[in-house]
Amino acid sequence: SQQGEEDPQALSIQEGENATMNCSYKTSINNLQWYRQNSGRGLVHLILIRSNEREKHSGRLRVTLDTSKKSSSLLITASRAADTASYFCATFPGGSYIPTFGRGTSLIVHP
Amino acid sequence: NAGVMQNPRHLVRRRGQEARLRCSPMKGHSHVYWYRQLPEEGLKFMVYLQKENIIDESGMPKERFSAEFPKEGPSILRIQQVVRGDSAAYFCASSWDSNQPQHFGDGTRLSIL
Repeated sequence: SQQGEEDPQALSIQEGENATMNCSYKTSINNLQWYRQNSGRGLVHLILIRSNEREKHSGRLRVTLDTSKKSSSLLITASRAADTASYFCATFPGGSYIPTFGRGTSLIVHP
Repeated sequence: NAGVMQNPRHLVRRRGQEARLRCSPMKGHSHVYWYRQLPEEGLKFMVYLQKENIIDESGMPKERFSAEFPKEGPSILRIQQVVRGDSAAYFCASSWDSNQPQHFGDGTRLSIL
């Protein structure tokens, strides 16, 4: 099974609403990263949170990490149609330099 | 600053032919990663290279697949005697250090007829 699993698989909201995506993982990690992928394009790095951090902000993005529950969440506030994309979490199991990606959350923001 | 460049963007091959996918990392990046993505799925790691060295190829099939990152020129992912199951999007990423975020190209969509 996947090291990182995003939830929900799909999310459909109206512009201006907040979008929350979750990622669960199984083994201890050094850090966790969130990426966005627009249709037909490569992944774009959004934010990195280290295992000793609990929360991180970047613009309209807020990421939390709960290592006791082995989970992370990505919150996009005041969503825009341009936020429509798939969002992936990538975990780096302890000692590994190879990221493991989940299946992603497909976000659709309706204008 | 050019990003990670992959070519071709689309590649069509018949079963049994060879496919060569190229990746030029970002300037200054010496770490290159190749991934494969099937529709509606996440990326699956294939191989991790540094200049002239394969660091980790645990995700790459032992047969028909090979990768290189020569001292000069782009990284190449080579698939020999392609089969229908090789149809996928192949992404390359680069970083300047293994602990740093990866920068991705826009991928090569490989279709096998």
